[in-house]
Amino acid sequence: DQQVKQNSPSLSVQEGRISILNCDYTNSMFDYFLWYKKYPAEGPTFLISISSIKDKNEDGRFTVFLNKSAKHLSLHIVPSQPGDSAVYFCAAPNQAGTALIFGKGTTLSVSS
Amino acid sequence: GAGVSQSPSNKVTEKGKDVELRCDPISGHTALYWYRQRLGQGLEFLIYFQGNSAPDKSGLPSDRFSAERTGESVSTLTIQRTQQEDSAVYLCASSLSGGPGEQYFGPGTRLTVT
Repeated sequence: DQQVKQNSPSLSVQEGRISILNCDYTNSMFDYFLWYKKYPAEGPTFLISISSIKDKNEDGRFTVFLNKSAKHLSLHIVPSQPGDSAVYFCAAPNQAGTALIFGKGTTLSVSS
Repeated sequence: GAGVSQSPSNKVTEKGKDVELRCDPISGHTALYWYRQRLGQGLEFLIYFQGNSAPDKSGLPSDRFSAERTGESVSTLTIQRTQQEDSAVYLCASSLSGGPGEQYFGPGTRLTVT
């Protein structure tokens, strides 16, 4: 039973355009979400987070939107750059706060 | 400063052998986590340490898996009698005090069981 779902395994975007990565969740008790970025042979690195008291959080080129009623969040990258090519994971803390529950990831490819 | 380090970076072992994977967290981080990522899958939680205690071991897949942490620092994940389905990247993460916030990940150990 996947509690955090990333239904698109891959996304290809041209440099300069917008990348939109999507994430759905099933547990309405989740109140905090994180996005991680992972390059090959490296560990995931934290990108941006959002609390459920907000519906948007922005950090430079990265914006995360949260739609609680739809149990959906999305990460927008504008403008996309070739260096953004990586696997992006959506995650939420479990109820006990002892672990992060991750989606399967979306591989973003930005072409120049 | 130094990030989370893991060793070895790669490990190839024969089915049935025991392996030990090591994690050095960021200095001062009391919380330490082990995850694994099998091919095409997301990160799967294994165990959480707060200090030297493991209040959440719920992700360990079988009693062949164990972990310990000493000196509120280094942690070792041991897999006994390895099986081919244990092949994965094993990732360690640490955070300052636990809870729902950001975790800092190491580069992982790629384990291949032949």
